[in-house]
This record gives sequence, C-alpha cells and structure tokens, in this order.
Amino acid sequence: QLQLQESGPGLVKPSETLSLTCAVSGGSITSSSYYWAWIRQPPGKALEWIGSIYYSGTTYYNLSLKSRVTISMDTSRRQFSLKLTSVTATDTAVYYCASNGVGKRPLDYWGQGTLVTVSS
Amino acid sequence: DIQMTQSPSSVSASVGDRVIITCRASQNIDFWLAWYQQKPGKAPKLLIYTASSLESGVPTRFSGSGSGTDFTLTISSLQPEDSATYYCQQSSSFAALTFGGGTKVEIK
Repeated sequence: QLQLQESGPGLVKPSETLSLTCAVSGGSITSSSYYWAWIRQPPGKALEWIGSIYYSGTTYYNLSLKSRVTISMDTSRRQFSLKLTSVTATDTAVYYCASNGVGKRPLDYWGQGTLVTVSS
Repeated sequence: DIQMTQSPSSVSASVGDRVIITCRASQNIDFWLAWYQQKPGKAPKLLIYTASSLESGVPTRFSGSGSGTDFTLTISSLQPEDSATYYCQQSSSFAALTFGGGTKVEIK
C-alpha cells in the first residue's frame, strides 16, 4: 500500500519560489507502474492538476502553469518534488501529492495535503 | 484541455433519498472517468473508476454510469456520512488530467 507525505514551507513570499517534496513509502518510486502527480486546491475551490512525472523522468504539466512549474524526482531519497516560481496570492492552496497507475488509471493514492500561503 | 462540467454545484437531500450528480466532458473520453469524495480538511477519496467500477471498500449505494461525454454518479440511499463534495476527473488525456468543479452534497 503506497503512502505519500508532503512537506515544505507553509508560508512563501510573493515573487518567490514555492518548493514542496513528497516522500513515497510502501512502494518503489522507480516502478514503471505509476505516475507521480501534484494537485492543488485553493481555499473553497476545486481541485487542479499541476503536473505529473514518470519514473523515466518524463514530465507532463498543466499548460496554464507550465512556464512556472518544475517537477523532479530523487530516487535515492524516494521522493519527488514541486517547484513553482514567481508565486502570487492566487497560488495559495492546499497542495497534494498523489499517484496513479499507468494505463489511464485514476489517482488512487493521495498524501494528506499541505497548506501553502503566499503572503508577505 | 478537456473541460469537465459538473451539475448541480450543490444539492440538499434527506437521508434515504436518491442523489444524482452529472459530469459532462467537452469531448469524448470513452469511459476514462473517476469520481472522488472529499470531506472538509481531507484528501479526496476514490469512489468510482472507469466510469462504473466501484473502488474496493466503497459502499454499494454508490454507482457510476455513462460513456463518451456524459456521466452520472448516483447515491441510491443517502446516508449522513455521505455529506461531502464530489468531483469527477478524466484520465483519457493522461498527460493533462482535469477535474470537474465539484458538487457539494448536504443533508437536510
């Protein structure tokens, strides 16, 4: 049973870079069976997919965020990471990491989520 | 990107009522649709995948149907613990996942 856990600063200043990591346990981050994803949810609003990474390092990004997003993987630490540059108040959200199996599978494993507030 | 439109945005129903939530895709997604339940302060929980397959452990009062562009989530007999927000999500375009806007289900 996969377990995912987000970590990172809860407060980021405007124009700075938001950085989060997701620790993976209960399964291999290098498995060819999974994609690893980041999703966010502004307060009171809907879920928004940010992007995903495959074990090969191939990344897929939401076009609306692509210019500011980098998702990477550290296999030695069994974690994957999110960087979002030039943040503004509209980036304030709960950020979730999640995984879905290959073959158009749903997001069946989720972290608990971490609130990131963008404020000076 | 494939747009997902849910309706209604909110519904209030009594215990035992049948509740139906609809989700429409902006283009054909075959049966690559999932439904999630989210309670306040919690991560979404997978209920249904491939439009009609019930995730293990999910009560059988939840069911899904549809294909192509039109889908439904049905709660056959609403229970107090079903008070939550429900989201649909398409995975047909696995490199550009998209969610619906959510439907808040409240108990009268």
